[in-house]
Amino acid sequence: EAGVAQSPRYKIIEKRQSVAFWCNPISGHATLYWYQQILGQGPKLLIQFQNNGVVDDSQLPKDRFSAERLKGVDSTLKIQPAKLEDSAVYLCASSLGSSWGYNEQFFGPGTRLTVL
Amino acid sequence: GDSVTQMEGPVTLSEEAFLTINCTYTATGYPSLFWYVQYPGEGLQLLLKATKADDKGSNKGFEATYRKETTSFHLEKGSVQVSDSAVYFCALSDGQFYFGTGTSLTVIP
Repeated sequence: EAGVAQSPRYKIIEKRQSVAFWCNPISGHATLYWYQQILGQGPKLLIQFQNNGVVDDSQLPKDRFSAERLKGVDSTLKIQPAKLEDSAVYLCASSLGSSWGYNEQFFGPGTRLTVL
Repeated sequence: GDSVTQMEGPVTLSEEAFLTINCTYTATGYPSLFWYVQYPGEGLQLLLKATKADDKGSNKGFEATYRKETTSFHLEKGSVQVSDSAVYFCALSDGQFYFGTGTSLTVIP
């Protein structure tokens, strides 16, 4: 079974530029998550989709970050314009569902973003 | 709000030493608890889980017991190997996931 795919793996941009990340979850997984992991910290949830609807985006900086999952499968996360503090690894994860309690998440390898 | 606090690292152990990584949590309900591991250059992987009080999760020689009375989920392994060198994350889920800051473990031969 193929895992969660993410691209690109690495990206270097200058501040104020735009960047987009792509994620393809495991086939059949209804729930997709984007996390931001700053060096030395644990992953922080940015947004959670259930199929193509947003379940939770309370920690997404909406003035510069946006995400979509138009067909309920793959997803893109965009930053426009980027700031220095956006330098982090952006992780995508998927799970079969998001019912209350436990639902195992499978993580992609992440995209390491460096903003200069 | 819910949160997870785990032991700061880095931790360096000799091969075959005993490992404990402490994790405590704060939650209003009855969350599920997890340990994830991140090997160098790889994504996070689920190591073990426990979904209710007194449950013991185990995998690859690692164990953790869900202790509601002490709100803890400490990770233990009796004899670590060089291949266990990684970053370990404690996490809880009450519908939303909360991760700890991670503990880096290096095992030296």
